[in-house]
Amino acid sequence: QVQLQESGPGLVKPSETLSLTCTVSSGSLSSHYWSWIRQPPGKGLEWIGFIYYSGSTNYNPSLKSRVTISIDTSKNQFSLELSSMTAADTAVYYCATELRGGYDFFDYWGQGTLVTVSS
Amino acid sequence: DIQLTQSPSFLSASVGDRVTITCRASQGISSYLAWYQQKPGKAPKLLIYAASTLQSGVPSRFSGSGSGTEFTLTISSLQPEDFATYYCQQLNTYPRTFGQGTKVEIK
Repeated sequence: QVQLQESGPGLVKPSETLSLTCTVSSGSLSSHYWSWIRQPPGKGLEWIGFIYYSGSTNYNPSLKSRVTISIDTSKNQFSLELSSMTAADTAVYYCATELRGGYDFFDYWGQGTLVTVSS
Repeated sequence: DIQLTQSPSFLSASVGDRVTITCRASQGISSYLAWYQQKPGKAPKLLIYAASTLQSGVPSRFSGSGSGTEFTLTISSLQPEDFATYYCQQLNTYPRTFGQGTKVEIK
């Protein structure tokens, strides 16, 4: 059973860069695609992007210019950086695993971490 | 991007009711669709993938159907723990996209 835990600042100033880390327990980073999803308060889910253990990435075009996802297999962690933060980026940020094998799905999720953008 | 439109956005129902939620895709996605349940303050939980395959551990009162552009999630007999928001997600192409959600509340 894979367990995921997000960590990072709960408050970010406008124009700054958000950095979040997801620590993976009880699982190998080589078995899934490691994703970030966010959810503004009271709103729906938005996929941010994924990284595979090989380092290959895929980002949502709506955020691509501002997003970097990286992986550290030695620490069983993957990370999200989102630059030029604005109030519109205030959201709960989830890390999750996407299992791919014919029919894909997001099977494990972290508990989520609320990030507020405010000066 | 593939747009997913869920209907209704809000649903009021009683315990024991049969509930159906529809998800329509802006283009064909074969059976590459998943359904998630989200309770307040919690992460989404996978219910169904491949449009109709029940995730392990999910009660059999949940079922999914459809292919192409129209899909349904059915709860055969609504239980108190089923009051939540439900999202569909397409996994046919990137970027992965979600429906706007359907909130199921107690009547």
